[in-house]
Amino acid sequence: NAGVMQNPRHLVRRRGQEARLRCSPMKGHSHVYWYRQLPEEGLKFMVYLQKENIIDESGMPKERFSAEFPKEGPSILRIQQVVRGDSAAYFCASSRGQLNEKLFFGSGTQLSVL
Amino acid sequence: QQQVKQSPQSLIVQKGGIPIINCAYENTAFDYFPWYQQFPGKGPALLIAIRPDVSEKKEGRFTISFNKSAKQFSLHIMDSQPGDSATYFCAASTTGTASKLTFGTGTRLQVTL
Repeated sequence: NAGVMQNPRHLVRRRGQEARLRCSPMKGHSHVYWYRQLPEEGLKFMVYLQKENIIDESGMPKERFSAEFPKEGPSILRIQQVVRGDSAAYFCASSRGQLNEKLFFGSGTQLSVL
Repeated sequence: QQQVKQSPQSLIVQKGGIPIINCAYENTAFDYFPWYQQFPGKGPALLIAIRPDVSEKKEGRFTISFNKSAKQFSLHIMDSQPGDSATYFCAASTTGTASKLTFGTGTRLQVTL
C-alpha cells in the first residue's frame, strides 16, 4: 500500500512562473491537506479538501494560490506568478475520514524560486 | 489565538538520556494533541497522540504528559537512541471534519553516543 505520493520532490521556478505541485493520497483516503514549511519553522496549514470540494482554505494566501482535488487524479496545489517568498517545502497529507484519524504525510515538494 | 508554543528549539542528549520537549497552547477548544517526528528530507510521521481526558499516554519509549489546567503537554523519550535524532513537532486541533492541525515550531533533537 503506497503512502502519500508527492511530485516533484524538487521544483525550481523563476519569479513570475507558475508552480504546480501534485499529491496522490493513500489508497482509500479521500481527505487531503496541504501544509507549508519554512526553514526553522513548523508546518502551517494551507487548505483542506475532499474529493471535488474545498472544505477549509483559511490558510491559503488570497492571491496567486489555488488548490483542487478532482474526482479523478491527484490533488494539485497551484502557485501563479511565484515570488522568492514562496520558496518553501510544501507537504501534503491525507486521511481516510475526519482529521483526528491518523494523518499521513508525503515527503514534500521543495520549491525554490530564483 | 490559534497558537502552539514549543521549546526548546534544539536539544542534545547522550544515548540513554531522557529528552523532554514541552508545548503550550492557548485555545481551550483544542482536544487532540499529536506529536510528529520528522527526519531530514521526509514528511512528518505521527509518533503518539493524546486527548485531554487522560493525563499521560505511553507507547514504547515515548510518553506524553498532559496538564489540562496549565494548557501544557510534553513528550518524553525514554532510553534515547541515536536513531531518535530528528525534529519533533507538537500539534493541536479541535475535533471535527473541518479541523486542521496547528503545529509548534519544532525541536531538533540530537542523541549522541
